[in-house]
Amino acid sequence: EVRLVESGGGLVKPGGSLRLSCAVSGFTFSSYSFNWVRQAPGKGLEWVSSISSSSLYIHYAPSVRGRFTFSRDNAKNSLFLHMSSLTAEDTAVYYCVREGRQLDPASSPYNPSYFYYMDVWGKGTTVTVSS
Amino acid sequence: QSVVTQPPSASGTPGQRITITCSGSNSNIGINPVHWYQQLPGTAPKLLIYVNNERPSGVPDRFSGSKSGTSASLAIRGLQSRDEAEYYCSVYDDKLNGWLFGGGTKLTVL
Repeated sequence: EVRLVESGGGLVKPGGSLRLSCAVSGFTFSSYSFNWVRQAPGKGLEWVSSISSSSLYIHYAPSVRGRFTFSRDNAKNSLFLHMSSLTAEDTAVYYCVREGRQLDPASSPYNPSYFYYMDVWGKGTTVTVSS
Repeated sequence: QSVVTQPPSASGTPGQRITITCSGSNSNIGINPVHWYQQLPGTAPKLLIYVNNERPSGVPDRFSGSKSGTSASLAIRGLQSRDEAEYYCSVYDDKLNGWLFGGGTKLTVL
């Protein structure tokens, strides 16, 4: 069974730090890119960060760049999001999300390209930033 | 404010067909495929449509997607009460180097 299980959420004071983890099972972890997506209370979805399969490419939303660090351990099938300088605006449910892919049928067989999409979501972990 | 725009709400009666639109720009929908997610109350989002019009295994064919230019649509035919949920479109943005979500559309089945 494909599973993504987030942990590490909790209550933290403004300016504080927190590290989220995501334990992955049921598929070949090292072959996939992953994302963190968050949802503030009563609000919509917001992409936070993405990491490629080898950690070569890591991207961040402007709202968290410089404060959050996304990493992975392919030996332990785990993902980590280190969050610092937290503010009330970071209060949200944080989802760990796998990025699936589909071959672009229009691409050359000698140089195939892919379409990517977020296909498997964890249940989320709640981060509350409050004094 | 999200640069991918959805109507905040939609509604229909059982059996009806409804559509939800998603409007973007040349750096996202104009050049990349659109995906749709369904979020039932109190649960994590679930992939509903990927790469504009593909359905994952288990998603009924009542759900369909389309894309034209810088806009995309999700259609639901034969509306059921179980379809009451929040629906989000998502697309990769080449300027952001990241994913964008629409603001979400809350679907009410009357």
